[in-house]
Order: sequence, then C-alpha cells, then structure tokens
Amino acid sequence: DGGITQSPKYLFRKEGQNVTLSCEQNLNHDAMYWYRQDPGQGLRLIYYSQIVNDFQKGDIAEGYSVSREKKESFPLTVTSAQKNPTAFYLCASSIGSAGGGQETQYFGPGTRLLVL
Amino acid sequence: GENVEQHPSTLSVQEGDSAVIKCTYSDSASNYFPWYKQELGKRPQLIIDIRSNVGEKKDQRIAVTLNKTAKHFSLHITETQPEDSAVYFCSYGGATNKLIFGTGTLLAVQP
Repeated sequence: DGGITQSPKYLFRKEGQNVTLSCEQNLNHDAMYWYRQDPGQGLRLIYYSQIVNDFQKGDIAEGYSVSREKKESFPLTVTSAQKNPTAFYLCASSIGSAGGGQETQYFGPGTRLLVL
Repeated sequence: GENVEQHPSTLSVQEGDSAVIKCTYSDSASNYFPWYKQELGKRPQLIIDIRSNVGEKKDQRIAVTLNKTAKHFSLHITETQPEDSAVYFCSYGGATNKLIFGTGTLLAVQP
C-alpha cells in the first residue's frame, strides 16, 4: 500500500471555496475509488473509475467532482455545493481486471478536510 | 438495496481472550468478502478475505467464516493482543463494481 499516496494530509476550506484532493498510485491499477469517512460510520463511496477517461457516481456524489485523465491519478474536487465537507477522505485502487467488487482495494493514507 | 449490518459497534476484551465480529449482508449474488483493519488515524488495510466457494479461511490468529445460506460472515481473532486494538470493517462485493462496507467495530484489547 506504499504505492498509493494522497496529498495534502490536512486541508482547510473556506466557505464557498472549491478544493482539490490529490490521489496518485504507481501500482499500475486500472480502478480507483474515493471514499468519505465520518466518525462512527463506515466508508461511503463518492466516485469510482474503472478505466482512464471514465468514472461513475457512488452513493454520495452530490457536491463532488472527479477526473481521470491519467491512469495513475484520480483527483477529487470538493465543491461549494457540498455543505458538510468536514470528513476524512480516502482514495483506493484495485487491479481492475475482475471488477471493483471482486478484488482487494488498497488505500492511501487519507486527507482530513476541515472547514474554517 | 446493497447493505451490510455489522455487530457489535464496540467490543472490549482482555488480552488473550477471543473476539468475534459478525456481519449480515443483503445481496445473495455476492461472492467476495474482505475484512479491513484501521488503526487510529491510519488507512484501512486488508487483513483477510474469503470467497464464496469456501466456508472458512484461517491465517494464524485470524479466521473468517461464511454462511451464504444465512448471508452471514464473521471475523474471529484468537489470543488477542494490545496491537489488535483498532476498528475492523467487514465488506462484500455487490452486484456493481464496488465494495459495500459495514459501519465498523471498535475493538479494544485490555492488557
């Protein structure tokens, strides 16, 4: 799991501001995912991408956007439309050959987003 | 819809005792069941997984059992140690290309 990185470790957002969280992997994985983690709750899927230039909404996509222009990168933008963005954001990747629901996902170290 | 219930939400055991965490899922088509461990402030890491063609899998002090008929799967940790203290998440592969995660169990091993 050392092959997947996220930055920054902490991020502060002002009201009305868009912020972008970085996720990079050098595992040569096709599939990448973004999860949101709130205290006392499990991991909720925001967006996922099975291949470059393609992505799908997860369970809580409203207020977020993504892009997948390169295989190794899957940035997440938290827009001003996301009214409660304070959370721990985790990026993950998997090989992608069997489908994301059938293979191990490897997680990055996470970004903690706080609202000023 | 796709859903998994995980119990208990918190579990406190004495060092050396066993710990059991149970999950119930909704999608009968699922055939992949991974368990993740997350230490405080760290990333979740896979500790063991099982596929539906077997009923039990063991790796040293950790074992997972699966009952597809009842849609139950469980994590068993024997001879618990303080370093086992963490949040444990069950998950399963749903009909779409994603994993469905439980809400987590906070395990505290008292020395």
